Amino acid sequence: KQEVTQIPAALSVPEGENLVLNCSFTDSAIYNLQWFRQDPGKGLTSLLLIQSSQREQTSGRLNASLDKSSGRSTLYIAASQPGDSATYLCAVRTGTASKLTFGTGTRLQVTL
Amino acid sequence: DTGVSQNPRHKITKRGQNVTFRCDPISEHNRLYWYRQTLGQGPEFLTYFQNEAQLEKSRLLSDRFSAERPKGSFSTLEIQRTEQGDSAMYLCASSFPRTGEPSYNEQFFGPGTRLTVL
Repeated sequence: KQEVTQIPAALSVPEGENLVLNCSFTDSAIYNLQWFRQDPGKGLTSLLLIQSSQREQTSGRLNASLDKSSGRSTLYIAASQPGDSATYLCAVRTGTASKLTFGTGTRLQVTL
Repeated sequence: DTGVSQNPRHKITKRGQNVTFRCDPISEHNRLYWYRQTLGQGPEFLTYFQNEAQLEKSRLLSDRFSAERPKGSFSTLEIQRTEQGDSAMYLCASSFPRTGEPSYNEQFFGPGTRLTVL
């Protein structure tokens, strides 16, 4: 059974700092990995999708990397802004299943 | 707005009542998913449709839960005889795999329906 863990559970950084969020998964037979952002009480916004054959994906100030063999992904956020404050979730699609298995998220606060 | 939409956004009901939620996926997305999220947790998979066929159901989907997607477009999720443990955010997502890249299956989520069972 796939299990996804995200560390840290919460993070507070001053504006402008670069930061890294971590995601690990137990079954390396993944199809892809998605990073999402969730604002309080809201739905999920897809940030990046990395296919199993890829090592990284970039979108603006975000860069996600994937090391499938070690079961790890990182989300790098450059030059953080208060508007980046949200919960960040990673999710994996494993084997032939279509469903996503989620971690519990990292709650990020960027302070002025 | 061409994103995934869900109605209602909030639902408060008394224990034992039936509730029904609706999800309208992104136009032309053939895959539709339901997830449930409780406070402080990540979403958990409930069920998945490809067109009108329900292809996968989680063990979380007890016999009080039923989902349909009759014409392969919108979907409904019904919970019968609600219990306080059903209180959660119910999220719907849709996707359409890239041609020639079946592994590229980015899921797009709606705003969710928050259910409170009193």
